[in-house]
Amino acid sequence: DAEITQSPRHKITETGRQVTLACHQTWNHNNMFWYRQDLGHGLRLIHYSYGVQDTNKGEVSDGYSVSRSNTEDLPLTLESAASSQTSVYFCASSGAGANTGELFFGEGSRLTVL
Amino acid sequence: AQSVTQPDIHITVSEGASLELRCNYSYGATPYLFWYVQSPGQGLQLLLKYFSGDTLVQGIKGFEAEFKRSQSSFNLRKPSVHWSDAAEYFCAVGGFTGGGNKLTFGTGTQLKVEL
Repeated sequence: DAEITQSPRHKITETGRQVTLACHQTWNHNNMFWYRQDLGHGLRLIHYSYGVQDTNKGEVSDGYSVSRSNTEDLPLTLESAASSQTSVYFCASSGAGANTGELFFGEGSRLTVL
Repeated sequence: AQSVTQPDIHITVSEGASLELRCNYSYGATPYLFWYVQSPGQGLQLLLKYFSGDTLVQGIKGFEAEFKRSQSSFNLRKPSVHWSDAAEYFCAVGGFTGGGNKLTFGTGTQLKVEL
């Protein structure tokens, strides 16, 4: 079965370190997204991609970057981790074309920045 | 800019009682609307979606939602709640623009079910 997997599921790091969260999907979806989930804020969009070599900033993109070198993967990098980036991160994907729109979510990566 | 408001942070209902979770949205064109459910420690699962057509949409687990354009609302309902429905529920809005379909989520409603 097609799926979307995130790794690591849990990570603890220190302030100032670079961190990369992996996201891999086997749906062959063009669209991929990174959200962060925080209490009281719901899910907020960090970055998204509508295809290979395409990346776009979401509403909370400062301090994060992504790259899309193939269809399956959209790694999220925290250039210099800060305590404010302690959160649960969700990767999602969706198919192209109108009347799709449903996002398929990974199980999340819990990041703690000390 | 698109946005979603879920005015109820927490709702408690008794098992067997009816449920309505509120969702109001702001979107400049015809919206695509979604309800997702999240169990503790899990990702989000789609309950139902509205793209066009019949304004009353049926979803999984006995849930339904009604799109009311005049009220910019997309409220989620269930006639009889089960204990297993306890979870967090998110409403989301989006549309097909720029080649894709990024969604904006509300802040969520935490549902507690009393036995």
